[in-house]
Amino acid sequence: SQKIEQNSEALNIQEGKTATLTCNYTNYSPAYLQWYRQDPGRGPVFLLLIRENEKEKRKERLKVTFDTTLKQSLFHITASQPADSATYLCALEGVSGGYQKVTFGIGTKLQVIP
Amino acid sequence: DGGITQSPKYLFRKEGQNVTLSCEQNLNHDAMYWYRQDPGQGLRLIYYSQIVNDFQKGDIAEGYSVSREKKESFPLTVTSAQKNPTAFYLCASSASYTTNEKLFFGSGTQLSVL
Repeated sequence: SQKIEQNSEALNIQEGKTATLTCNYTNYSPAYLQWYRQDPGRGPVFLLLIRENEKEKRKERLKVTFDTTLKQSLFHITASQPADSATYLCALEGVSGGYQKVTFGIGTKLQVIP
Repeated sequence: DGGITQSPKYLFRKEGQNVTLSCEQNLNHDAMYWYRQDPGQGLRLIYYSQIVNDFQKGDIAEGYSVSREKKESFPLTVTSAQKNPTAFYLCASSASYTTNEKLFFGSGTQLSVL
């Protein structure tokens, strides 16, 4: 069955360092992958989308890589700040149960320590 | 400001009661979605609507019902048949129900059972 795996344990990182979050998937052949940020008690907010033919995408301090051979995406936040503390979700599109849908991982909680 | 409005923020349900969660969007999006989020689990799709007057079941539709009589509105009713309704409910929309579309989320409704 299709599965998305994100490290469910929290990631603690010192301010100013680069945070790297991992998203692994199995039994998907996604055309694209998305990353969202979710703050406590709030809805997810879209950050970046990367297509299968793109190896890397950048937006300000954010960088996403997509390796369809390894079936993995890495999400990097450079020069991390306490305001970056949140849960980060990866999402894949696929067909499941006979219909097309976007499936989310459980997310990785990032804590940036001042 | 364009966006998705969910109400109420907190909702309590008594035994045997049906409750309705509101979701309104002014983004002129065709597609709308309802997700349920439980601690330690990814977002799970309850229902989705590709276009007004149309909707389909998602992965966990049992005990829920929806309507899509207007483009901007997609209310979710949690019926008494849903035996474990306590969760954080998220409404989302996208420009269309096609690939490569990012989702816009509301701020969520926390439903608890009294």
